[in-house]
Amino acid sequence: AQSVTQLDSQVPVFEEAPVELRCNYSSSVSVYLFWYVQYPNQGLQLLLKYLSGSTLVESINGFEAEFNKSQTSFHLRKPSVHISDTAEYFCAVRGTGGGNKLTFGTGTQLKVEL
Amino acid sequence: DTEVTQTPKHLVMGMTNKKSLKCEQHMGHRAMYWYKQKAKKPPELMFVYSYEKLSINESVPSRFSPECPNSSLLNLHLHALQPEDSALYLCASSQDQARASALFFGSGTQLSVL
Repeated sequence: AQSVTQLDSQVPVFEEAPVELRCNYSSSVSVYLFWYVQYPNQGLQLLLKYLSGSTLVESINGFEAEFNKSQTSFHLRKPSVHISDTAEYFCAVRGTGGGNKLTFGTGTQLKVEL
Repeated sequence: DTEVTQTPKHLVMGMTNKKSLKCEQHMGHRAMYWYKQKAKKPPELMFVYSYEKLSINESVPSRFSPECPNSSLLNLHLHALQPEDSALYLCASSQDQARASALFFGSGTQLSVL
């Protein structure tokens, strides 16, 4: 079975500052990792995914995440945040068994302040 | 078209009512999902359909009844719900149930049971 840990439930940050949202996973097999973003009163949007190949993956709106197998991490980073980045961010892992279910972390609320 | 469309966006129902949630996608995806999300929590998987057959039922109470009329449509029939069933109900689809297939979510139906 696989699991995901997001240690930070809330991350406050000032606009234009850098941010890192932490995600650690556990799995006994190779993993497929995802970051989703949820804006207030909306569904989840796929931000980026790691399937294989380059360990650094990027999204179209400036976020990036790096897969680190030795540290079992998939942290999300952005060098300069905007007010519009305020949202809930979920890390997720798709594992083996039981129909390859998508397992979510508990989420991190990113609050960008002026 | 990369959208998953859910209707209605909001629904208020009494405990004796019967209602249905609807979900539609035109991405040619063959796996479709229902999730339940409580406030400040990650989504919880309810059902998975793969190639129009029920693949996973996460021990959901029988007052929730899923239906997949064709490869583009997914319904969730609701009957005799309880107030604790109030939540955001999310539909999602993916190319298939393989681990590398990312899920695409709709914007959800906010359900209130009185």
